[in-house]
Amino acid sequence: GAVVSQHPSWVICKSGTSVKIECRSLDFQATTMFWYRQFPKQSLMLMATSNEGSKATYEQGVEKDKFLINHASLTLSTLTVTSAHPEDSSFYICSAFTGRTGSKDTQYFGPGTRLTVL
Amino acid sequence: AQSVTQPDIHITVSEGASLELRCNYSYGATPYLFWYVQSPGQGLQLLLKYFSGDTLVQGIKGFEAEFKRSQSSFNLRKPSVHWSDAAEYFCAVVGDYKLSFGAGTTVTVRA
Repeated sequence: GAVVSQHPSWVICKSGTSVKIECRSLDFQATTMFWYRQFPKQSLMLMATSNEGSKATYEQGVEKDKFLINHASLTLSTLTVTSAHPEDSSFYICSAFTGRTGSKDTQYFGPGTRLTVL
Repeated sequence: AQSVTQPDIHITVSEGASLELRCNYSYGATPYLFWYVQSPGQGLQLLLKYFSGDTLVQGIKGFEAEFKRSQSSFNLRKPSVHWSDAAEYFCAVVGDYKLSFGAGTTVTVRA
């Protein structure tokens, strides 16, 4: 149980275009989802936290107008990278959280999406 | 704020040998600790977690970890490594529902 999928797994786009990445919890309802960014050979950095039906909370230094997050249902969150540039190329990973905020439950991770901006 | 330190960036171990990955945490309250494994180009898979109770935690794939409050450590161990264990390993601690990851340890398994 607790399977999280991401789509697409790999995307290449031209500079200036927007890219949408989907994160789905397949067999459970995710009240909270997280988006992480991972550069090569580095750890995961939390970008933002989204709770279903409310606005996302962004970490310091993350541009909310550039990385749009929508958590419209209990099984789907989307990350849209707007006007992508080569420096946005990275591995984006989502995780889904079944507990309520403040509850130390386990996060289940998606397989990641590799974004390459030309 | 919580933080995790993984002192070893890279470890090379022979197949069949034992493996120990170090993790030190910093957190004011009782920590909730995790070990995740990441294969190249993949997401993270949970190996094991510690919330409370027995300080020796058993996980998947033959891994175990021991929580030592006095040393602020949560080291991961495996008695006999398989070639498929070659991967990146991350220790993480939860604080205010957010996961904070260590920098990771790359494990290379030689034949």
